[in-house]
Amino acid sequence: AQSVTQPDIHITVSEGASLELRCNYSYGATPYLFWYVQSPGQGLQLLLKYFSGDTLVQGIKGFEAEFKRSQSSFNLRKPSVHWSDAAEYFCAVVQGAQKLVFGQGTRLTINP
Amino acid sequence: DADVTQTPRNRITKTGKRIMLECSQTKGHDRMYWYRQDPGLGLRLIYYSFDVKDINKGEISDGYSVSRQAQAKFSLSLESAIPNQTALYFCATSDHGRGTEAFFGQGTRLTVV
Repeated sequence: AQSVTQPDIHITVSEGASLELRCNYSYGATPYLFWYVQSPGQGLQLLLKYFSGDTLVQGIKGFEAEFKRSQSSFNLRKPSVHWSDAAEYFCAVVQGAQKLVFGQGTRLTINP
Repeated sequence: DADVTQTPRNRITKTGKRIMLECSQTKGHDRMYWYRQDPGLGLRLIYYSFDVKDINKGEISDGYSVSRQAQAKFSLSLESAIPNQTALYFCATSDHGRGTEAFFGQGTRLTVV
C-alpha cells in the first residue's frame, strides 16, 4: 500500500530564512502527491500538487516542491519564510481510486 | 459561508455516550470523507463515500459508523464513545478524479472523558 513519511516532526527556522520540509513516499507507479497546510484552529488547505510533467511544482503562498523519482521524495521549499507560515504541513499521496494517505505532519515554528 | 461545515466545532462527552458529528458541503461534490487527526499520526481515514449509496470503511473504522443522508451531508457517529476516541475530526469533500483537490472543514475537537 502507498505510504508517506515526513521525517521531521518539528522544525524551527528564523523569519526570512529558507525552508525545506521533507516527504518520502512509497508507491510503485507515478504517484499523485499533495502538500497541505493546516493553520492553527483551521482545516487543511492545498498548497500544491503533482501528477506528471514538470517535476518542479509551484504552489500558493510562495511555496514550491520538487518531485524526485530516484529518491522517492517530494520536498516542499520556500526561499524566505514569513511569521504567517507557522503551521503544520502535511504531505499526502492518493491511494487507490481517490483516498488521500497523509504523512505524520511537520510542525513549523518561526523565530522572529 | 464555508464550503464544508462541521458541527459541532467542539464537544466534550462522557464515556459510553453516543455522539454524532455532522458535515455538510456546498461544493456539489459526490465524494465525502471523515478523517481523524492525532498528534504525531497525521490524518487517518475513518470512512468515505463516493456517492449517496456508497459507503466504505477506511483504515480505522472500528467504533465508528456513518450515514450519507444526501449528497451534501455525511455524518459520523460514535456509538459508545471511549477516551481514546478523543481527537480532532475532519470532514472533507472532493470531485471525481484521482488528482482533484480535497476541501476540508474546520474540524471538530472531540473530548471523551
